Amino acid sequence: QVQLVQSGAEVKKPGASVRVSCKASGYTFTDYDIYWVRQVSGQGLEWMGWINPHSGNSGYAQKFQGRVTMTRETSTSTVYMEMRSLRYEDTAVYYCARGRKYDYVWGNYRYVLDYWGQGTLVTVSS
Amino acid sequence: AIQLTQSPSSLSASVGDRVTITCRASQGINSALAWYQQRPGKPPNLLIRDASRLESGVPSRFTGSGSVTDFTLTISSLQPEDFATYYCQLTNTYSLTFGGGTRLEIK
Repeated sequence: QVQLVQSGAEVKKPGASVRVSCKASGYTFTDYDIYWVRQVSGQGLEWMGWINPHSGNSGYAQKFQGRVTMTRETSTSTVYMEMRSLRYEDTAVYYCARGRKYDYVWGNYRYVLDYWGQGTLVTVSS
Repeated sequence: AIQLTQSPSSLSASVGDRVTITCRASQGINSALAWYQQRPGKPPNLLIRDASRLESGVPSRFTGSGSVTDFTLTISSLQPEDFATYYCQLTNTYSLTFGGGTRLEIK
C-alpha cells in the first residue's frame, strides 16, 4: 500500500531553517512527483512546490521561491523540504503528497494529489 | 492566474440532508477540477477528478458535476463521517490552485 510518512513536529525560532522529510513506500518512488502543501491552522490549502524524484527537477510557487528547496534521496525514497528564514506566519502543518499526472486527452495533462503524508506541524516561536 | 472561488464558505446541515457546494473558476477550465475532503486533524483525501469521476472507494452519495467555470459537489444523503471541509483544485497545471474551502458542519 502506498504510504508517505513525514518527520515529526518542529519548533523553530524566527530566522532559523527547518527541514521536513517525507518517506515514500508501496510504489516506485521515481514514477511520481511529490508535492508540498501547507495549511495554517483554520485556513485553506496552499501549494508550495513539487519535485520530480527521477530527475531531481523542482518547481516552486512564487511566494516560496528563494526560501524553499526541495530535494530527494532515491536510495531511501525520501523527499525533503527545507524552508529558510522562518517567520511567525510560517507556523503551519506541512503536507507532502504524491502527484498523479495523467493524460486526459491528447497530451492534455492533469494533476491530482492521490496520497498524502500525515502532516508535520512546524511552529515558529521565539 | 486562474482563481477558484468556493461557496458557501460554511454550511450547516443534518444527517440525511442533501447538500451542494459550488466552485467557480475565474476562467474556463473545461473539466479540470478535483474535489478533496479533509476531516479535522487529517490530510485531504481525493474524492473526485475531472469534475465528475469518482475515485475508487468513494461512496456513490458523492457526485461531481459542471464544466467550463461552474462546478458542484453534491452529497445526496449526509452521513456523520461527511462533516468535514471540502476543497476544489484546478488540475490542468502542475502549479496547483485550491479553492478556499467549504466547511460542512452538523446542524
